[in-house]
Amino acid sequence: DTEVTQTPKHLVMGMTNKKSLKCEQHMGHRAMYWYKQKAKKPPELMFVYSYEKLSINESVPSRFSPECPNSSLLNLHLHALQPEDSALYLCASSQVSQANYGYTFGSGTRLTVV
Amino acid sequence: QQQVKQSPQSLIVQKGGISIINCAYENTAFDYFPWYQQFPGKGPALLIAIRPDVSEKKEGRFTISFNKSAKQFSLHIMDSQPGDSATYFCAASMNKGTYKYIFGTGTRLKVLA
Repeated sequence: DTEVTQTPKHLVMGMTNKKSLKCEQHMGHRAMYWYKQKAKKPPELMFVYSYEKLSINESVPSRFSPECPNSSLLNLHLHALQPEDSALYLCASSQVSQANYGYTFGSGTRLTVV
Repeated sequence: QQQVKQSPQSLIVQKGGISIINCAYENTAFDYFPWYQQFPGKGPALLIAIRPDVSEKKEGRFTISFNKSAKQFSLHIMDSQPGDSATYFCAASMNKGTYKYIFGTGTRLKVLA
């Protein structure tokens, strides 16, 4: 299995809702990432987990709450989002090693906040 | 110093032509330079990558040229096909205890049939 699977593919939520995005990989990768991508822009890093521990938080607002329950699963909990948070949310994974071998990205969750 | 500058912003090429996308960086601590291809509605996919100890890497129709002294690298797509129409991102990263990529701004490539 060489895929990163993200669910749901599309999500519409109100500003008072609570929702969660899910990401799963079975490649044995021990680094997992959340990226946010706005239209016609490059992906922007939000969070990095290494060995299930949060290692990088790019000053993301607390309305985004990541969770890594085990080595295969990564969640992003969403609460009280704003319309400007509408974007494609990408999960990625990679090996943890001295040499960099690149990320594997999922297809993303298209989030619309109304 | 953390930026990766990518050009052109958009590119139109005839089928069978060569597509060339350029990137430049400042931070000499970067030591891994991947290119990602992204189709609409999909996540980026790793296309090809290079480390600074080599000047060129070729995989099929895709070639990275790397100029360490100029701090520039480029993607060449030979015999461009309509199926290559996508957005291409260059990136750079360091291996030293971080897995953070700095992405270029992207190039939208359209290959005309």
